[in-house]
Amino acid sequence: DVKVTQSSRYLVKRTGEKVFLECVQDMDHENMFWYRQDPGLGLRLIYFSYDVKMKEKGDIPEGYSVSREKKERFSLILESASTNQTSMYLCASSLVLTEERNYEQYFGPGTRLTVT
Amino acid sequence: GQQLNQSPQSMFIQEGEDVSMNCTSSSIFNTWLWYKQDPGEGPVLLIALYKAGELTSNGRLTAQFGITRKDSFLNISASIPSDVGIYFCAGQLPLNTDKLIFGTGTRLQVFP
Repeated sequence: DVKVTQSSRYLVKRTGEKVFLECVQDMDHENMFWYRQDPGLGLRLIYFSYDVKMKEKGDIPEGYSVSREKKERFSLILESASTNQTSMYLCASSLVLTEERNYEQYFGPGTRLTVT
Repeated sequence: GQQLNQSPQSMFIQEGEDVSMNCTSSSIFNTWLWYKQDPGEGPVLLIALYKAGELTSNGRLTAQFGITRKDSFLNISASIPSDVGIYFCAGQLPLNTDKLIFGTGTRLQVFP
């Protein structure tokens, strides 16, 4: 059973704070992803990583950075939190094993971040 | 970023009714996935489709990969209250090997 966990379910931070969101998967997946989800805008990809220390920008990387020092852990960093970063943040991972099943992404429970 | 057109946006149905929703795109996809998201939770993978024309079931859920590769359908039979949630489709473009494009979601409400 695939398990993706996120460090916090709810987080409240102040404007200007540095925020770390942690994601851990226990299935040895190569790919890991960070999305944000906002009403009416759906799921938007922030960053993804296809290997340790490798990362690629998604659709909305501005204001965010990521870190992947170990295969199972993918961190999202808000260098200086702003109110427009209030959102639901979802982490996902996927396995690179066969050509087809590469695309099945498994999500964590999400972190609802409020920046005041 | 690109998004898939998903319809309907929301559905309000009686328990026991069947439900249909679909996703369409102007682009061809290699893979279609269907997810369900409960309130305050992350999306959970329901069904994955890999070949044009493929029809796959998971309990009361049935999904199809459209023959043109530009659409997919999800049907839920005999709905129950725990079917409530948001259903998302997601597709993988042929040249975009790692990322998924997500639909805008269908919000389903089931009344007893």
